[in-house]
Amino acid sequence: QIVVTQEPSLTVSPGGTVTLTCASSTGPVTSNYYTDWFQQKPGQPPRTLISSTTIKQSWTPARFSGSLLGGKAALTLSGVQPEDEADYYCLLFYRDIQVFGGGTKLTVL
Amino acid sequence: EVQLVESGGRLVRPGGSLRLSCAASGFIVTNAYMTWVRQAPGKGLEWVGRIKSKSHGGTTEHAAAVKGRFTISRDDSRNTLYLQMNGLRSEDTALYYCGGMGYWGRGTLVTVSS
Repeated sequence: QIVVTQEPSLTVSPGGTVTLTCASSTGPVTSNYYTDWFQQKPGQPPRTLISSTTIKQSWTPARFSGSLLGGKAALTLSGVQPEDEADYYCLLFYRDIQVFGGGTKLTVL
Repeated sequence: EVQLVESGGRLVRPGGSLRLSCAASGFIVTNAYMTWVRQAPGKGLEWVGRIKSKSHGGTTEHAAAVKGRFTISRDDSRNTLYLQMNGLRSEDTALYYCGGMGYWGRGTLVTVSS
C-alpha cells in the first residue's frame, strides 16, 4: 500500500518563495506518477493547480510551478501572495490507483 | 461554462446503500477521466476512484477502502457520473466531490450513522 507524504505545515512570508514536496513510500517519484497538485481553502472544494507533474491549468497563476526535485514531486510558489494561504494536496498515480498525500497547510505570515 | 453538480447525499444507516450523482455541463463526461474523492470532517482528501474516458476503455478503478462496496459508473445520455455505495460504514461519512477535466463540484454530504 503506497503512502504519500507531504510536509504537514509550512510558513512563508509574503513575496517569498516556498517549495512543497510530495514523497512516495515506493521510492523516487518520477513522471510516471503523473502528480497532480490541488489547493483547498476552508469551506471550498479542491482546485486543480497542476496536472501530470508540470502542466498548469488555464486558471493557475504563473507563480505556481510543478517539478520533480530530489526524488519527490514539488510545487513551488514564487512571490507568494496572502491569498495563497491554504491547504495543498498532491495526488500520485501508482499501479492503477491514485493516492493523496496528507496535505500541507501553508501559512503566509 | 463547465459545471459539476453532485447530489444524492443524505443520512443513511450503517449497512445501507446510496447512489450519488454528478451532473456535468460544459463538457462530455464520456471523453474525460472522471474521479470521485471524499473528505471526512476536518480531514484531508481521499481518492475514492475513477472511470477512464471511453476512448481509453471506460474502465474503473477504486481505492482499497471502498473496493467491492462502491462502484463508479457513467450515463452518457445524461452526461452524468454516479457512485453507487453499498455496505456503508461510519468511516464513509464525508463530503463527496466529483471531478473531471480539472474541474470539481461543490460536493454532497454523506452521513452514515444509526
